[in-house]
Amino acid sequence: SAVISQKPSRDICQRGTSLTIQCQVDSQVTMMFWYRQQPGQSLTLIATANQGSEATYESGFVIDKFPISRPNLTFSTLTVSNMSPEDSSIYLCSVSYASSYNEQFFGPGTRLTVL
Amino acid sequence: AQSVSQHNHHVILSEAASLELGCNYSYGGTVNLFWYVQYPGQHLQLLLKYFSGDPLVKGIKGFEAEFIKSKFSFNLRKPSVQWSDTAEYFCAVKLGYQKVTFGTGTKLQVIP
Repeated sequence: SAVISQKPSRDICQRGTSLTIQCQVDSQVTMMFWYRQQPGQSLTLIATANQGSEATYESGFVIDKFPISRPNLTFSTLTVSNMSPEDSSIYLCSVSYASSYNEQFFGPGTRLTVL
Repeated sequence: AQSVSQHNHHVILSEAASLELGCNYSYGGTVNLFWYVQYPGQHLQLLLKYFSGDPLVKGIKGFEAEFIKSKFSFNLRKPSVQWSDTAEYFCAVKLGYQKVTFGTGTKLQVIP
């Protein structure tokens, strides 16, 4: 299994600002994903973070709003840009290994509140 | 597109009661199935998974799930719940190389 840490664990931000969330894994992983979990709803995949190339975004999510970086096999960042109260959510980093690509491990999440 | 339905949104049980949480998915092809659990204040953890073989899968903490292909179901069961099982449970489905799709979750509250 993977040990995944996320920073910050929570934040309260003002409308129009941006927040960058970091995800660090204790071992090299094949896949890294970013999810959003809005209150009372399920997990929604935002994008797959690709090492050394642009992330692959799901329908409804765009790079300008959620820029993602993945400089190596253990680290990724997600930025929530030009925030509005509708962006208030828990953002989760998830990873999987090539040896068991179907199984995903999740980080503790970042609870974001936008005022 | 695949979808996952969890019909029970909130379940309240007394300790020692039996548990069954429903999960149905929409696709009839080869799927990989998961149950994840999120205990209060903790991150999502894998409870059990089904890839192939025996349709009755046993996971951690006495949980099991049965894959019934004809019913497109993967229900989670535990014969006797404990207060420590209070958590939110998510069913998830992965079709081939597609993304994992999660259900909306079921909040289980176990009363001592």
